[in-house]
Amino acid sequence: EVHLLESGGDLVQPGGSLRLSCAASGFTLSNYYMSWVRQPPGKGLEWVSGISGSGDGTSHADSVKGRFTVSRENSKNTLYLHMSSLRAEDTAVYFCAKTKWERHSAPGPFDYWGQGVLVTVSS
Amino acid sequence: QSALTQPASVSGSPGQAITISCTATSSDVEGYNYVSWYQLHPGKAPKLMIYDVIVRPSGVSGRFSGSRSGSTASLTISGLQPEDEADYYCSSYFTGTLVFGGGTKVTVL
Repeated sequence: EVHLLESGGDLVQPGGSLRLSCAASGFTLSNYYMSWVRQPPGKGLEWVSGISGSGDGTSHADSVKGRFTVSRENSKNTLYLHMSSLRAEDTAVYFCAKTKWERHSAPGPFDYWGQGVLVTVSS
Repeated sequence: QSALTQPASVSGSPGQAITISCTATSSDVEGYNYVSWYQLHPGKAPKLMIYDVIVRPSGVSGRFSGSRSGSTASLTISGLQPEDEADYYCSSYFTGTLVFGGGTKVTVL
């Protein structure tokens, strides 16, 4: 059974950094494009970042470009989101999500999601 | 930049059918063959309901169906049930990025 578990959420000050992790199980992580999607409190979903199965291709939303970096360690079945220069508007629940198609080179559709982890940026 | 517009809310009585629209506000409609729909219940992981405009994943009720006409995709819920009350988001891949609609709150009266 596919399972995604995010961790690393915390309260951080503006300008600070944080690393989120997503532990994957039940499938061969290296075969799938993975993404991070966030939902600010009371607002809608926003795709944040994505990474190819091998890790050699990444993409980020304009709102986080230059501040967030997505990476993965397939040997550890783990996806990461490195966040820096955090702003209040980055406050959100962050989900990791698995693309449905094996060896796909783009984000979506997402057939499995984690439960999400809360990141709060505030002084 | 491409954007997807959804109505903020849709409501219906049990047993009725409702339709949620998702309109692409861009001339780049070629990528609009990759529309997906997600259901969100508070505190739960999002659930994929429809992908590639019309395809329903296994395990999703047959009461959910997708369609597209021009730059507008739609999700129809037939035989509305109390457990269908949730937020629904459309999404589509446009060159280089994935975009979500603003979300639609479905209320079962």
